[in-house]
Amino acid sequence: NAGVTQTPKFRVLKTGQSMTLLCAQDMNHEYMYWYRQDPGMGLRLIHYSVGEGTTAKGEVPDGYNVSRLKKQNFLLGLESAAPSQTSVYFCASSAMGPYGYTFGSGTRLTVV
Amino acid sequence: AQRVTQPEKLLSVFKGAPVELKCNYSYSGSPELFWYVQYSRQRLQLLLRHISRESIKGFTADLNKGETSFHLKKPFAQEEDSAMYYCALISRLGGSQGNLIFGKGTKLSVKP
Repeated sequence: NAGVTQTPKFRVLKTGQSMTLLCAQDMNHEYMYWYRQDPGMGLRLIHYSVGEGTTAKGEVPDGYNVSRLKKQNFLLGLESAAPSQTSVYFCASSAMGPYGYTFGSGTRLTVV
Repeated sequence: AQRVTQPEKLLSVFKGAPVELKCNYSYSGSPELFWYVQYSRQRLQLLLRHISRESIKGFTADLNKGETSFHLKKPFAQEEDSAMYYCALISRLGGSQGNLIFGKGTKLSVKP
């Protein structure tokens, strides 16, 4: 039982490059979330989804896009990476909305 | 505004000493609060939720609406308690089911 799996675990991008982060969960959870974690800032919500085919903006959505074409997958895209997007990205899923998140292990992204 | 404040970035105590990790919140209505913990090289995981009034790993947290606080306490700290601790609040904006907003976190270091 893998839980929440994030790929890749590490990535270095050049400014202007694009990439997609994948979050996959095998718990049949309806809710999925993308957060970014920055030193001194805690975790901030980027986008979230309340079910297959739905997405919504969180606190810091600019520069990111998401898709939830399949229930088990939640993709986070960076169309044109900027150094300000250097961060650790965490995906989480939940069966009960905000009442119990299961987190992935994170993706450390550096934009140079 | 809905907000979670953890005033201490770092808290250092000796083994066996009492621990109190502070969390204050700003919320209109009945708040729902949680503590999450991230041990070194591990995933974020739920430690406890205020509604269940449970004690996990010797930690407790009481919601004080008068002081708008949800401090995390443990009477005798252990070295294995060293970790990053995040206080979180369910934010319900626009009538949504709600998402978690996190404080900036407090790093607890328990010295032998």
